[in-house]
Amino acid sequence: QSALTQPPSASGSPGQSVTISCTGTSSDIGGYDYVSWHQQHPGKAPKLMIYEVTKRPSGVPDRFSGSKSGNTASLTVSGLQAEDEADYYCSSYAGSNNLNVFGGGTKLTVL
Amino acid sequence: EVQLLESGGGLVQPGESLRLSCAASGFSFSSYAMSWVRQAPGKGLEWVSTVTNDGGRTYYADSVKGRFTISRDNSKNTLSLQMNSLRAEDTAVYYCVEVVGNGWPLSQWGQGTLVTVSS
Repeated sequence: QSALTQPPSASGSPGQSVTISCTGTSSDIGGYDYVSWHQQHPGKAPKLMIYEVTKRPSGVPDRFSGSKSGNTASLTVSGLQAEDEADYYCSSYAGSNNLNVFGGGTKLTVL
Repeated sequence: EVQLLESGGGLVQPGESLRLSCAASGFSFSSYAMSWVRQAPGKGLEWVSTVTNDGGRTYYADSVKGRFTISRDNSKNTLSLQMNSLRAEDTAVYYCVEVVGNGWPLSQWGQGTLVTVSS
């Protein structure tokens, strides 16, 4: 059982936008602006796409954006491309005894 | 370019020990905290442990506390994870991860090393 709750799957057609949610509690997502999103292609290592809720590391396309409202964070992928098909994991800081808690992951399919 | 190369994975029996290493290059290793994150086969990500840049503070997930020990050697740009009393549920790919920024974000990931605990 993951600490954060994500939908197991999401999908969209090329060019469309899709939003993936990540729900936690006031002890993690709701308590801090330290939500990250990671992309993982099959057989590969995860890659940081969003940190501190809305920030993108250098090299990440601006098609990827993050937001947060209360205990729920969201990742939006705009202008879907075939290479965006991957698993996406949210994570959050949850205090000094639990530096990172993860969601169970969402498999994004580009139709 | 940041490079993180894990080693030390393999097949061990329940109750045995294993030591993972991560050789870091391409960045100022001693400036950043480092973490281990694992992923069981076909499952999601699980944070395991983090050590501050100077090795002065360590943090562990409850699932490994008292069994695993994280350490680093800044003179050799190396991160380690000593795993004792291994259990079947510790079977996973273990990733070495650079932590950069506020809130301990997992910024750069190695390719991982597989640990299998089975009799």
